[in-house]
Amino acid sequence: DQQVKQNSPSLSVQEGRISILNCDYTNSMFDYFLWYKKYPAEGPTFLISISSIKDKNEDGRFTVFLNKSAKHLSLHIVPSQPGDSAVYFCAASYFSDSARQLTFGSGTQLTVLP
Amino acid sequence: DAMVIQNPRYQVTQFGKPVTLSCSQTLNHNVMYWYQQKSSQAPKLLFHYYDKDFNNEADTPDNFQSRRPNTSFCFLDIRSPGLGDAAMYLCATSSGQGAGEQYFGPGTRLTVT
Repeated sequence: DQQVKQNSPSLSVQEGRISILNCDYTNSMFDYFLWYKKYPAEGPTFLISISSIKDKNEDGRFTVFLNKSAKHLSLHIVPSQPGDSAVYFCAASYFSDSARQLTFGSGTQLTVLP
Repeated sequence: DAMVIQNPRYQVTQFGKPVTLSCSQTLNHNVMYWYQQKSSQAPKLLFHYYDKDFNNEADTPDNFQSRRPNTSFCFLDIRSPGLGDAAMYLCATSSGQGAGEQYFGPGTRLTVT
């Protein structure tokens, strides 16, 4: 049972335009949500997070929006750059067995076209 | 630079031949995690350590074991690899605070022949 879903396996956008990556979750116990970026042959790299008590968090070109009632979050990248081309994973955080744990979505491959 | 290191980056083993993957960290984090990731799938948590306390996920096969001899090092042992165990294995660390950001190593790509 996938508790975190990224329904778009891939997304292509033109350089300079907005990229919007979407994520849905089912478990109301998640209290933080995170986005990771992964380049080929590297591990995932943390990008940005949001607490479940907020609806928006911004860091430079990256903004995450959370809609708790819809159990939906999205990552906006503006403006998109070719170097943003990577796989983006959404993750939901919860506390269990003495530590915070993450449940990941299956990722969305973003391609930014020059 | 503080980091998470995984060795080797690529590992080929034979069906049924035990294999050990290693992970080290310079972040001095309390928590270390091992994930298995198959192509186009989400990383799947196998187990984690909080300091020396080991926590196994309920659906992690007995074939997978782990050791954490000290804060810096953590090992993943696969006792009898099957063809279905071919995957990318990711190690991650976390301070356990805040949102629970985890810092990942580059992964070890395991091939089983």
